Amino acid sequence: GAGVSQSPRYKVAKRGQDVALRCDPISGHVSLFWYQQALGQGPEFLTYFQNEAQLDKSGLPSDRFFAERPEGSVSTLKIQRTQQEDSAVYLCASSPLSGDSYNEQFFGPGTRLTVL
Amino acid sequence: ILNVEQSPQSLHVQEGDSTNFTCSFPSSNFYALHWYRWETAKSPEALFVMTLNGDEKKKGRISATLNTKEGYSYLYIKGSQPEDSATYLCARDSGGGADGLTFGKGTHLIIQP
Repeated sequence: GAGVSQSPRYKVAKRGQDVALRCDPISGHVSLFWYQQALGQGPEFLTYFQNEAQLDKSGLPSDRFFAERPEGSVSTLKIQRTQQEDSAVYLCASSPLSGDSYNEQFFGPGTRLTVL
Repeated sequence: ILNVEQSPQSLHVQEGDSTNFTCSFPSSNFYALHWYRWETAKSPEALFVMTLNGDEKKKGRISATLNTKEGYSYLYIKGSQPEDSATYLCARDSGGGADGLTFGKGTHLIIQP
């Protein structure tokens, strides 16, 4: 079956530009996570959705970052007024579980964002 | 240990040799430990989920062990092949869903023919 997909795979933005990154999770998966992986680091948690509800956004680095999942399936991560420090790989993961067990997460290939 | 730490950061191994690397993590509030393999331009692929102290899991030539009391896990690759070249990530899971996974920085493995 289809896995998690993300688009675009690569994005180059000029500093100050707004970007939108899309995640299509596995159909029927309840949980959706966004992670940010900066160069030389491991993925770091940004935000978590259970269906359409954003239950945790504690990892979002600033108020320029905004995520939504309005119908409980596709999610969009938006970054306003991009800065060079936003350059990273943005990973999306989905899980069939609703938080009562360990997180078996299925990852997309990521979007590599480069801010010039 | 406050964070998830992996060592070494990178590793060059001759084809056919066996190798292993380490993941250290805080032992408090432990729920599960995940290992992922991440090849360039692909999605991270789940290798193992380990929950119990003393767990040993195996998939083909790759195996892993878990010590939750001292907070470490080892990943072993027997008879390395070029297709094993990838970044291996471990992640600590504190359960409950909403917290996400806490990842180490990964071990970048290069198999030399």
